[in-house]
Amino acid sequence: EPEVTQTPSHQVTQMGQEVILRCVPISNHLYFYWYRQILGQKVEFLVSFYNNEISEKSEIFDDQFSVERPDGSNFTLKIRSTKLEDSAMYFCASSEIASGRRNIQYFGAGTRLSVL
Amino acid sequence: KNEVEQSPQNLTAQEGEFITINCSYSVGISALHWLQQHPGGGIVSLFMLSSGKKKHGRLIATINIQEKHSSLHITASHPRDSAVYICAVGLYSGGGADGLTFGKGTHLIIQP
Repeated sequence: EPEVTQTPSHQVTQMGQEVILRCVPISNHLYFYWYRQILGQKVEFLVSFYNNEISEKSEIFDDQFSVERPDGSNFTLKIRSTKLEDSAMYFCASSEIASGRRNIQYFGAGTRLSVL
Repeated sequence: KNEVEQSPQNLTAQEGEFITINCSYSVGISALHWLQQHPGGGIVSLFMLSSGKKKHGRLIATINIQEKHSSLHITASHPRDSAVYICAVGLYSGGGADGLTFGKGTHLIIQP
C-alpha cells in the first residue's frame, strides 16, 4: 500500500541551527501538509501546499519556517534558526484530488525533532 | 476558528465492551476525520465523514451536521484497539488544501 515516508525519524540539533525535515508524499497526491505535535499536546496544523505554492498557513508558521517541493517527489520543511520550543513531532501528510476536495489525508510516521 | 472538543479524555474498558468516543465542533465544516495514534506516535486515518455513517470492520463513525457532533464506536473491543483516537475537522475555504484542526484525543485502554 502506498505510504508517506518521512526522514529522518529523529533529528537532534542545537538551538539556532537550521534543520530540514523531509517527506516523500504518495506519488499521485497533489496536496501536501505539515503538522506538529508538541509532547503531550494536540496535533497542530502548520501549512498546506498545492500547485507549488502555500495554500494555507497557521499562526505558528512564521518567517523562520519555509516549505519547498524541490523536485517531483520530495516535500521539505525548513526551520531556519531552531528554538527550544520547536522540539516536537512533525508530521507530513498528503491527499489526492477528489471532487469537492474532501480528501483523506495520509500521514507519515513523523520526525521527532529535539532542540538542545 | 474551529474548536474541537472530545470526550472522554481517558477511557479504560474491558475486552469485549462497546466503546463510544464523542467529538463536537463549533463551526460548520467540510469534513470530519477520525484518526488513530499509537504509542510510537504514528497517525493512521480511520474515517473521513461529511454526512451520515461509515463502517469499517468493528469501527463505526457517525456524524450529525446539524448538531455539529460525531461519534466513533468500537464494537467487541480488543486490547489491540488501545490507542489515542483523535477527531479532526477540515474547513474547506476554497483555497485548494484543507488543513485540519485537531481535538486533544481520547486515550483508550482495553484491558484483557
